Amino acid sequence: DGGITQSPKYLFRKEGQNVTLSCEQNLNHDAMYWYRQDPGQGLRLIYYSQIVNDFQKGDIAEGYSVSREKKESFPLTVTSAQKNPTAFYLCASSISNMNTEAFFGQGTRLTVV
Amino acid sequence: QQQVKQSPQSLIVQKGGISIINCAYENTAFDYFPWYQQFPGKGPALLIAIRPDVSEKKEGRFTISFNKSAKQFSLHIMDSQPGDSATYFCAATAAGGTSYGKLTFGQGTILTVHP
Repeated sequence: DGGITQSPKYLFRKEGQNVTLSCEQNLNHDAMYWYRQDPGQGLRLIYYSQIVNDFQKGDIAEGYSVSREKKESFPLTVTSAQKNPTAFYLCASSISNMNTEAFFGQGTRLTVV
Repeated sequence: QQQVKQSPQSLIVQKGGISIINCAYENTAFDYFPWYQQFPGKGPALLIAIRPDVSEKKEGRFTISFNKSAKQFSLHIMDSQPGDSATYFCAATAAGGTSYGKLTFGQGTILTVHP
């Protein structure tokens, strides 16, 4: 089945530790995105990538880092510099800039204790 | 100028009623307006979308109304069902320029349909 797979579904980490969230897609999409979801704030864009080996900061990139070494994969690292990392993280992909329909993964809920 | 404002934050309707969610935007470069539906613990899924060359689009019980001059668009759910209970997000983007397919989302509306 084609789709976007995020793992793990739940993640617990101690404060001050870096953590990496996985996102893999087999839709052959060029563009991939990371969004953060907090109650009452909608979805906010963290990073996005239009092609392999290229990515751009979104609206709330501070404290996060990404890589795009393969078309299928776009992992997100939540660093210790992120002040409020506890949130629901969503990965998405779309075909290209000419087709803006985005497909989302099931999300990773990160809790920092 | 990138914001999309969505209202209401929450909405309760009776089964069979009409649910209406409104969104407003500022960026005139936006040219694609999707609505996403999200169930608890799941990722959002595209429900219906519209481009500014039409004023209305209908798919089953779901209709988007679009007012380009007012920079507003809305989602109407006819004959609302308990299974429609979810969070709904409006969004907007531009195919080119700096927006490049990046979706700007509204704050979300939690819809509850009572049986």
